[in-house]
This record gives sequence, C-alpha cells and structure tokens, in this order.
Amino acid sequence: GAGVSQSPSNKVTEKGKDVELRCDPISGHTALYWYRQRLGQGLEFLIYFQGNSAPDKSGLPSDRFSAERTGESVSTLTIQRTQQEDSAVYLCASSFPRGGGANVLTFGAGSRLTVL
Amino acid sequence: AQKVTQAQTEISVVEKEDVTLDCVYETRDTTYYLFWYKQPPSGELVFLIRRNSFDEQNEISGRYSWNFQKSTSSFNFTITASQVVDSAVYFCALMLIQGAQKLVFGQGTRLTINP
Repeated sequence: GAGVSQSPSNKVTEKGKDVELRCDPISGHTALYWYRQRLGQGLEFLIYFQGNSAPDKSGLPSDRFSAERTGESVSTLTIQRTQQEDSAVYLCASSFPRGGGANVLTFGAGSRLTVL
Repeated sequence: AQKVTQAQTEISVVEKEDVTLDCVYETRDTTYYLFWYKQPPSGELVFLIRRNSFDEQNEISGRYSWNFQKSTSSFNFTITASQVVDSAVYFCALMLIQGAQKLVFGQGTRLTINP
C-alpha cells in the first residue's frame, strides 16, 4: 500500500482483557518496528522484525506483550491481560534496507489503546 | 548502549523568530545514522532528515538547517523565520549502521510558534 496502515485506530478495553493491534507495512518493506508512545512522552522501542524473524525484542515490557509477523507483511502486536499502564499509542513503522542497511522508517498513524 | 538527549522539553517563540532545537547523542560505535522527525498535532510522525556519521556537512532545506558536529556529538536543528505551521513535537533519533537497526529516540521537544 501507499503507507503504513494500522488498525484499529482506537481501542477501548477493560482491564484484564486481551487486545490485538495490527500493522500493514508498505509493500516490499522488509523491516518492521513497533513503538509505544505514552501521553506526552517520547517513543519507546518495543520490537523489530527483519522479514518474519525478530532480531531485537528487547523492548517488550513484559511477557504479556508478544508480536508476530507473517512473511514480510502483516504484523500483530498482542497484549494479554491488559493493565491501565498499557494505555498509550502504539506506533508501527516499516523500512527498506539501503546501502549499509540503515533505513528511513515510515510510520503509521498509530493505534490508541485505552485500558479502563 | 545508545542514548539521545533533547534537553529542551518545550520551546515557545513568536512567529518569524529563528529557533534551534538541540540534540546530543551517545554511542561507542563510529558508524551510525542520525535522524530528525516531526510529530504535528495530528500525531503522525514525519521524516525530516537522515545524516550519516561519515558526513559532517551541514544541510539546508528551505527554512530548515541542520548542524552536525561529531566533536560534540550534537545534531542541532534550526528553523529560520518560524511559522505557526512549524508547531509540533520534534524528535531526534539515532540508528547504528552495523548490528541492531533499532531507532533510538530522544524525548522530543515541543515547539510552539505563536502568531
């Protein structure tokens, strides 16, 4: 597609429920990233995929968080047993390797999660 | 580990003033990329510039300019003749060229341009 697409754009859930957030990267982008942005804060790295493997998942805050990616396309971020501190905007980005491999990340509009 | 520091949390200026956003980074690697992104009130991050560690030439794009100084590990961003539409949160970020290609962000600077 023309840009990185994320769904849902807004999700309100009750504490303790599981949520799934979806990211459709730009076609042909092999790298995919998930970040979390709490209100008024910076971007916190969660996980990075190259293809469908995750060489860096160091940012996942707890074992309630997991992510998977199918081939070089869609990725799903799952949060189990949500807590109020999980409330944030979850941003997905994708990129295509160039030269030495460093990328320009293109971000989606984000999924705003509110846990009541 | 890599770290990016944007010491200015908020800046407010009057339209047409020049403003400089500071960015200081830390890394032991000698090859890396530096970035600036803009996040307007709509929320979507917009890429502004990427600069690699090999090239210390300053860059100018319209009213925007960037000053990269390896000696002080800084990559500052200047907007000349600021406009209300420049109001946004600006993020500086760093990515290593070798190894983990994780983009590490600073905490951001909220810039408000008043008419």
